[in-house]
Amino acid sequence: DGGITQSPKYLFRKEGQNVTLSCEQNLNHDAMYWYRQDPGQGLRLIYYSQIVNDFQKGDIAEGYSVSREKKESFPLTVTSAQKNPTAFYLCASRLTGEKLFFGSGTQLSVL
Amino acid sequence: GDSVTQMEGPVTLSEEAFLTINCTYTATGYPSLFWYVQYPGEGLQLLLKATKADDKGSNKGFEATYRKETTSFHLEKGSVQVSDSAVYFCALSDRTSGTYKYIFGTGTRLKVLA
Repeated sequence: DGGITQSPKYLFRKEGQNVTLSCEQNLNHDAMYWYRQDPGQGLRLIYYSQIVNDFQKGDIAEGYSVSREKKESFPLTVTSAQKNPTAFYLCASRLTGEKLFFGSGTQLSVL
Repeated sequence: GDSVTQMEGPVTLSEEAFLTINCTYTATGYPSLFWYVQYPGEGLQLLLKATKADDKGSNKGFEATYRKETTSFHLEKGSVQVSDSAVYFCALSDRTSGTYKYIFGTGTRLKVLA
């Protein structure tokens, strides 16, 4: 079945550590997105990519980095510069229409 | 800039009750409007959408009508079930710049009691 796979489901970060969240899709979608979800808040855009080897900052990109070396993969690194990383992270993709397809998310917590 | 405002939750209803979740938006262009649903521990799923004024989106008994005059896209269902318990997000997509930019509301938690 086609879909978006995020891993791991739960991740813990130590102070000063960088961690990478995986997002893989086999839907052949060109565009991919990373969102951050905090309790009681909507989704906030971190980064997005419309094609391979190209990506743009979203509204809250500070403390995060991404790469898009392959069409099916869009990993997100939460760097030590992100002082409040605890959140639920969602990856999404889109083909040519407006419908977003979401992964099941990664819950990141700080130890 | 563009924004989406939806009613705060939680909304608690008895099974078979009528549901309305209010959503209003501001946009400079001609956005498409969406309702997404999120079940516990999962990502969001598209519930329904409308792409232009007076369009009605519908799915699984849920409906919403794109009202340009009131800039609203309220979600309704005539008879809710326990399985409808989830968080509902209203969203808009503005494609006038050639890039799809999505704005999400803060979400409304619905709890349906048997």
